[in-house]
Amino acid sequence: QVQLQESGPGLVKPSGTLSLTCAVSGGSISSSNWWSWVRQPPGKGLEWIGEIYHSGSTNYNPSLKSRVTISVDKSKNQFSLKLSSVTAADTAVYYCAHLFSYYYYMDVWGKGTTVTVSS
Amino acid sequence: DIVMTQTPLSLSVTPGQPASISCKSSQSLLHSDGKTYLYWYLQKPGQSPQLLIYEVSSRFSGVPDRFSGSGSGTDFTLKISRVEAEDVGVYYCMQGIHLRFGQGTKLEIK
Repeated sequence: QVQLQESGPGLVKPSGTLSLTCAVSGGSISSSNWWSWVRQPPGKGLEWIGEIYHSGSTNYNPSLKSRVTISVDKSKNQFSLKLSSVTAADTAVYYCAHLFSYYYYMDVWGKGTTVTVSS
Repeated sequence: DIVMTQTPLSLSVTPGQPASISCKSSQSLLHSDGKTYLYWYLQKPGQSPQLLIYEVSSRFSGVPDRFSGSGSGTDFTLKISRVEAEDVGVYYCMQGIHLRFGQGTKLEIK
């Protein structure tokens, strides 16, 4: 069973870049599936950020596309999220998730990591 | 962009009673491949979301059969036949064409 663990700075300054990593264990990131990022602002709902395939193909939420980069590191079995020009509105719990390609559902989620944007 | 609208946004249910959540999409979720990409997730307090239902009506592994999904096109429903205390949390529908969630429905126990 695949397990996911997010990591990264819990505090980012406004206008800076948020950088998170999701470590994949119990399976290979090179499996025929997608890997996603989802976020949840405090007290609010879920927002899909984007996804990546092990080949490097990506899809992003249009509302964030200009600021988001998702990449994969097969040698470390992990994938990463970078969100640039952050503001307080980017404060959220960030989750990584495994997206099973055939049914296109997110069946495994990390525990989430809280990122606060503040000076 | 396909917008997902859930109703109600909150509901309070007596244990053992049924519950129903509606989810409407602004466009049909029937894809040209014949699949309908509508999912239901539950986020229990303090936890990550968990998958309940995929492709409208298929229960994910380990999900109790008191949960059922139905619908087609743009109108979908999640039903809990007999609510239990462990069912509290926020329920989200999600469309898989552009991966967008509904606003969420908070289920509480009376």
